[in-house]
Amino acid sequence: QSALTQPRSVSGSPGQSVTISCTGSSSDIGDYNYVSWYQQRPGKAPKLMIFDVVKRPSGVPDRFSGSKSGNTASLTISGLQADDEADYYCCSYAGRYNLIFGGGTKLTVL
Amino acid sequence: QLQLQESGPGLVRPSETLSLTCTVSGGSISTGSYLWGWIRQAPGLGLEWIGSAYYSGNSYYNASLKSRATISVDTAKNLFDLRLSSVTVADTAVYFCVGISYYYFYMDVWGKGTTVTVSS
Repeated sequence: QSALTQPRSVSGSPGQSVTISCTGSSSDIGDYNYVSWYQQRPGKAPKLMIFDVVKRPSGVPDRFSGSKSGNTASLTISGLQADDEADYYCCSYAGRYNLIFGGGTKLTVL
Repeated sequence: QLQLQESGPGLVRPSETLSLTCTVSGGSISTGSYLWGWIRQAPGLGLEWIGSAYYSGNSYYNASLKSRATISVDTAKNLFDLRLSSVTVADTAVYFCVGISYYYFYMDVWGKGTTVTVSS
């Protein structure tokens, strides 16, 4: 079971929007609407940002949104802020209570 | 509010067994809403799901670990354990314990993480 594929890095200027893709297969992202996204700052535990493809936990700004098409999920961050600079990981359910992560994307705010 | 705290040795010798404990506070480990799991992150690398267990005892593991991992839940002590046998330097990582939504498979409760180094 290979990791989900994410771009290693993305960047954007304050106020702009960026989208991070996460590509899997018909056995994970393509088969289940259980995609979640996590933000991780250096030295810290990851923080849940999106679950069930499109839902935001309480306290997460609505600048963060999720979507899915076929075997690819996406996280979009609009109105970029300096504080958004972090690593972002996608995760999908893969059946039989298994979970699979993406390799992570480093977001740089220019 | 649920809180998780990892504990265990920071140094393990190659070929030995890594043992970590996650103590759950702020709620019962016997809630049917969560699976209890372990995630690890090798230095400079991404997140890897190790496995998960339900309070009733059912457990599930990443096949890539080739049956080296065991997760057990102690409902009396409100904690769960990870044992990883026959460790190598490749098992050096930060280990996080997590609460995973049983129905929707997202992780909304994380421990702070504990660093385990495998070295002779």
